[in-house]
Amino acid sequence: GAVVSQHPSRVICKSGTSVKIECRSLDFQATTMFWYRQFPKQSLMLMATSNEGSKATYEQGVEKDKFLINHASLTLSTLTVTSAHPEDSSFYICSAKLPGLQTNNEQFFGPGTRLTVL
Amino acid sequence: LAKTTQPISMDSYEGQEVNITCSHNNIATNDYITWYQQFPSQGPRFIIQGYKTKVTNEVASLFIPADRKSSTLSLPRVSLSDTAVYYCLVVLANAGGTSYGKLTFGQGTILTVHP
Repeated sequence: GAVVSQHPSRVICKSGTSVKIECRSLDFQATTMFWYRQFPKQSLMLMATSNEGSKATYEQGVEKDKFLINHASLTLSTLTVTSAHPEDSSFYICSAKLPGLQTNNEQFFGPGTRLTVL
Repeated sequence: LAKTTQPISMDSYEGQEVNITCSHNNIATNDYITWYQQFPSQGPRFIIQGYKTKVTNEVASLFIPADRKSSTLSLPRVSLSDTAVYYCLVVLANAGGTSYGKLTFGQGTILTVHP
């Protein structure tokens, strides 16, 4: 089956620094990837849709200048949390779907990245 | 996107069949019903998807009545490893546009399987 990886799995940083999270589709090409955030005991919240070769589409309320998304290739999307603050501490998860129109809505999720901002 | 409502939590015992019902009263014609499973500190995993009637795969069955305003995920003979959060989603499929493929997760159902 399709596999999505994320790196790093866990990161701790100081307030004010920037953190980059990578999302890779290992055995398929993903023209579209999605970034989610999940706070403890809460559901996943879609942050943005990452499109290869074009600008990401952000959900309402998500600051595009704070959460920079780059989808430079068909297998890699990156999320950079700029000037991180403790309230940005969360579980960040990416997902990807197979290219083309699919009746199967299966998305393949990465294992997630636990970000802790001190 | 249609909103979904499902029980916050359910308890079961090993070997029992578990049925989790989801309401989606505002489901649209082009929407599919999709279920995901999530273990703590992991990304969700696709379980099953359906449009109408019954769908079965190696891990679950999905029952959808004719009006499609609800659906039931059935897990046969659960084990301790089925303890997880189960999300019911209504997803716009195969229609292109900005909403295509976007997943909106509700609160999910915390299933706890006891020995």
